[in-house]
Amino acid sequence: QVQLVQSGAEVKKPGSSVTVPCRVSGVIFSNYAINWVRQAPGQGLEWMGGIIPIFGPANYAQRFQDRVTITADESTSTAYLEVSSLRSEDTAVYYCTRALTMTEVANRKHYTMDVWGQGTTVTVSS
Amino acid sequence: DIVMTQTPLYLPVTPGESASISCRSSQSLLESVDGNTYLDWYLQKPGQSPQLLIYTLSYRASGVPDRFSGSGSGTDFTLNISRVEAEDVGVYYCMQRIEFPWTFGQGTKVEIK
Repeated sequence: QVQLVQSGAEVKKPGSSVTVPCRVSGVIFSNYAINWVRQAPGQGLEWMGGIIPIFGPANYAQRFQDRVTITADESTSTAYLEVSSLRSEDTAVYYCTRALTMTEVANRKHYTMDVWGQGTTVTVSS
Repeated sequence: DIVMTQTPLYLPVTPGESASISCRSSQSLLESVDGNTYLDWYLQKPGQSPQLLIYTLSYRASGVPDRFSGSGSGTDFTLNISRVEAEDVGVYYCMQRIEFPWTFGQGTKVEIK
């Protein structure tokens, strides 16, 4: 059974960085996409970016391009989300997600977010 | 970015009755090369992580009851819930994944009357 395990809550100062890990178990790590979605308090869902470990570089939402880095460590089956230059608006629950299948059509890879982690709460406060 | 617009934003429902949520995209979600429409539906139950309900317009995710169905085409989509049950309460989101960045609708909160 596929499981995504995320770390506990974090409290950070404005201007600092946070790294949120997501350990994947129960499935081969590298083959399919891991994405990150965040949810500010009382708000909706926002896709931040994703990576397919065997294919390398991540894709990012433009608004996060300069401050967010998504990486994957195949040796530990763990994906990471790093957010730098934190501000109060980054206070949110951060979810990692995992695809279970993938198709490729005309050099485009299609997959969805089949499994979700439990979320990591990041609070940015002075 | 593709804008996703859901209606209504709040939906009180009576157990046993049907419910529908609409979702509209600012551009077509039909991939001409393979004929698929890349529109998914998620449900976030109170206090839980979101879960996948429907993918690629109309395919139910594993374990999702057949009371849930997705339909539509192009830019207009509908999630139907027949015979609503108490466990169906939560916030429903549509999401497009035909192009990056993937974008979600605002969410529709479903509550029992």
